[in-house]
Amino acid sequence: AQSVTQLDSQVPVFEEAPVELRCNYSSSVSVYLFWYVQYPNQGLQLLLKYLSGSTLVKGINGFEAEFNKSQTSFHLRKPSVHISDTAEYFCAVKRTGGYQKVTFGTGTKLQVIP
Amino acid sequence: EPEVTQTPSHQVTQMGQEVILRCVPISNHLYFYWYRQILGQKVEFLVSFYNNEISEKSEIFDDQFSVERPDGSNFTLKIRSTKLEDSAMYFCASSWDSQETQYFGPGTRLLVL
Repeated sequence: AQSVTQLDSQVPVFEEAPVELRCNYSSSVSVYLFWYVQYPNQGLQLLLKYLSGSTLVKGINGFEAEFNKSQTSFHLRKPSVHISDTAEYFCAVKRTGGYQKVTFGTGTKLQVIP
Repeated sequence: EPEVTQTPSHQVTQMGQEVILRCVPISNHLYFYWYRQILGQKVEFLVSFYNNEISEKSEIFDDQFSVERPDGSNFTLKIRSTKLEDSAMYFCASSWDSQETQYFGPGTRLLVL
């Protein structure tokens, strides 16, 4: 079975400061990795994904994440946050092959302070 | 850009009643999913559906739940006899194939009283 750990439930950061949201996963098999964002009262929107290839993945809204297989991590970063980035961010994994279930972490609420 | 839509956005029901949550997946997608998020908890997989049958389901998806694709566009989740603990946000998702990214709808917030 796969599992995802997001250690930080809330991350406050000042506007224009950099941010890193941490994600660690556990799996005995190969996985795909995702970051989703949920803005207040909205659904889940895909930010970025790692399927294979380059371990540095760029997504929408200036976010990027780096897959580190040895540390089983997939941390999300942004060099300069905006007020509009205030949202909840979910790290997720999906087993490769024909499996469809996506396993989510508990989420990290990013609060950007003006 | 095509998107997954869900109706209703909010549903309030009495314990023991049946509810049907509706979803319209992205039109050329072939795989359909339901997830739920109990308030304050993580998003949990319920079921996936392909070629008019369930392809995967979690232990949460017991006999009280069923899914159906009644026509070429809708995908529904039925809860036969709701319990208080069914109160949650229910998300529908769809994908082109099992390897591809799942795109989520805005959710239906279900409250069971």
